[in-house]
Amino acid sequence: ELKVEQNPLFLSMQEGKNYTIYCNYSTTSDRLYWYRQDPGKSLESLFVLLSNGAVKQEGRLMASLDTKARLSTLHITAAVHDLSATYFCAVEGDSNYQLIWGAGTKLIIKP
Amino acid sequence: DGGITQSPKYLFRKEGQNVTLSCEQNLNHDAMYWYRQDPGQGLRLIYYSQIVNDFQKGDIAEGYSVSREKKESFPLTVTSAQKNPTAFYLCASTAGPAGELFFGEGSRLTVL
Repeated sequence: ELKVEQNPLFLSMQEGKNYTIYCNYSTTSDRLYWYRQDPGKSLESLFVLLSNGAVKQEGRLMASLDTKARLSTLHITAAVHDLSATYFCAVEGDSNYQLIWGAGTKLIIKP
Repeated sequence: DGGITQSPKYLFRKEGQNVTLSCEQNLNHDAMYWYRQDPGQGLRLIYYSQIVNDFQKGDIAEGYSVSREKKESFPLTVTSAQKNPTAFYLCASTAGPAGELFFGEGSRLTVL
C-alpha cells in the first residue's frame, strides 16, 4: 500500500523557535509537493521538489527532498505567528495523475 | 487573472437531494480533480479527468458523478446515494501529469 506519513501531526511552538516537519513516503516518486492550508480555506502550493537533493526556500520555510531515504523535510526558522496553518505533503501515486497525501501537520505558533 | 472558480461556496442540502458543485478554470489546464476533505483530515480523491470527455474514479467515487464536456469545466454531482456528504469539496487542476496542483477556494456542503 502506498503511504505518506507526516510527523508530527500536531505541533505547538513558540515564536522565534526552529522546528522541522517530516514527510516519509513509500512510493518511488522523484516528485514531492508541500501545501499550506489556513483554517476554513483552500490549499496553497508552497514548494515543488522535483529531484533528489532538491532544496527550496521561501522566507522562513525551507523544504528538502531525499528520494533515497524517501523523506522530505519542511524546516521552519524563527517561527512567526503568521505561519500557523496546516501543512500537507503529497507524492505521485501509481498513476502520475494521482497524488498520495499525508494527513497534514497542524502547526500553531504562539506569540 | 487565471484561476479556478468553485461555486457555491456554501450549500445546504436536505437528505435525499442531489446537488451539483461547479468548477471552472481558465488556466488552460488539461487535468482536473475533485477532492473531499473532512474536518481535521487530509484530502481524498473522488474523481479526476485527464482530458475532455474522459474521467476516472478516485478512492471514494461511490455516491458521486462527474462530467467533462468542456476543458474549462468539471462539475461534481453529489447524489442521494452518498450516505455522508457533509464535507469540504475542493476542485483542482494541473497542466499535465505530475504537475503542481492549483486549487479552487472550495465548496462547503452541509446536509440538514
